[in-house]
Amino acid sequence: SAVISQKPSRDICQRGTSLTIQCQVDSQVTMMFWYRQQPGQSLTLIATANQGSEATYESGFVIDKFPISRPNLTFSTLTVSNMSPEDSSIYLCSVEGRTSAYNEQFFGPGTRLTVL
Amino acid sequence: GIQVEQSPPDLILQEGANSTLRCNFSDSVNNLQWFHQNPWGQLINLFYIPSGTKQNGRLSATTVATERYSLLYISSSQTTDSGVYFCAVERSGGTSYGKLTFGQGTILTVHP
Repeated sequence: SAVISQKPSRDICQRGTSLTIQCQVDSQVTMMFWYRQQPGQSLTLIATANQGSEATYESGFVIDKFPISRPNLTFSTLTVSNMSPEDSSIYLCSVEGRTSAYNEQFFGPGTRLTVL
Repeated sequence: GIQVEQSPPDLILQEGANSTLRCNFSDSVNNLQWFHQNPWGQLINLFYIPSGTKQNGRLSATTVATERYSLLYISSSQTTDSGVYFCAVERSGGTSYGKLTFGQGTILTVHP
């Protein structure tokens, strides 16, 4: 499996500000994924972060609101911009693990964001 | 997109009881995974099971890909099994590689 860390683990922010979340993996991976889990809800894919190219966003998510960087094969950041209380969620990154199942996904511990 | 439905939405058990959670999906899949989300929000991988049957201790899972469903069995449940169980699938097709669609989850509560 992959060892994935995220920073910060949690934060409380004021509306109108931005927060950048970091995801670090212990090995090189081609693709990294960012998910959002709103309170009491399931996980929804925000975007795919590819090294050397722009991130690809899922329907309902836009780059201006969730800019993503992928400077190398072990690291990515997700920024939540101009936050509102509706952005209060757990944000998780995922990568494929080094298992016999080539596309098994593993998740970081998540960043719990509260927007006041 | 692909639809993933889990049942039941909530399940309350006494310690020691057995349970079956179900996941139905609407299209062919390359990947199906079961996760347990603990109270701190961490997603724990339980099974990678796009087809067939696997067992890991008190847990086992079966996926019948041709009929588009998967089952997660929990035997002799313990209070530490409490939490939310998610089924997630990756739809077949090149543009979906690595992208998981999650069901709404089953909230399991095990009482001592």
